Amino acid sequence: DVKVTQSSRYLVKRTGEKVFLECVQDMDHENMFWYRQDPGLGLRLIYFSYDVKMKEKGDIPEGYSVSREKKERFSLILESASTNQTSMYLCASSRQLGNSPLHFGNGTRLTVT
Amino acid sequence: AQKITQTQPGMFVQEKEAVTLDCTYDTSDPSYGLFWYKQPSSGEMIFLIYQGSYDQQNATEGRYSLNFQKARKSANLVISASQLGDSAMYFCATVPNFGNEKLTFGTGTRLTIIP
Repeated sequence: DVKVTQSSRYLVKRTGEKVFLECVQDMDHENMFWYRQDPGLGLRLIYFSYDVKMKEKGDIPEGYSVSREKKERFSLILESASTNQTSMYLCASSRQLGNSPLHFGNGTRLTVT
Repeated sequence: AQKITQTQPGMFVQEKEAVTLDCTYDTSDPSYGLFWYKQPSSGEMIFLIYQGSYDQQNATEGRYSLNFQKARKSANLVISASQLGDSAMYFCATVPNFGNEKLTFGTGTRLTIIP
């Protein structure tokens, strides 16, 4: 089974802090994704990566950056956390783009105070 | 660009009854895929079922089946003989089959199974 592991289940940070959310997958998948989930809005794509050191903006990249130095690891960075970034963050990976299903981690619930 | 609409924010269903969760989509792509995911209270998104736009038959996976009506751009999830463990959020999503597009998700339906 594919395993996608997010380093933290719950995280509380202060406004202005730099925040790192880490995600690791163990199935040698090419593609990795960061989504944000908010009630009533579903899942919205922040960034994705289709190869090491490659990244593409999703629908809501503002206030975020990403890093993919190794194939198995995809990091989401909040350069200066703000209260409107309080949310559930979901990492996912897939074998290929298109009709290959995404495999998700358990999510990180981030609270910015 | 694709758009997914799930019109039922919440549903309550008696245990052992069948459930239909609605999903309509809007896409101009000639070839695309449709996914359903389940998210229990634990938070993990679980892939349930996939339907390709050119598949001749409706997809089935155990108790899950997809009522795919291409002309109506509808891809409803049917859960037969519902169980208490089916209580969760359910998300419909779509993606074009070609190019570097990504999944677009609906806003979800919260299903509660009543004993």
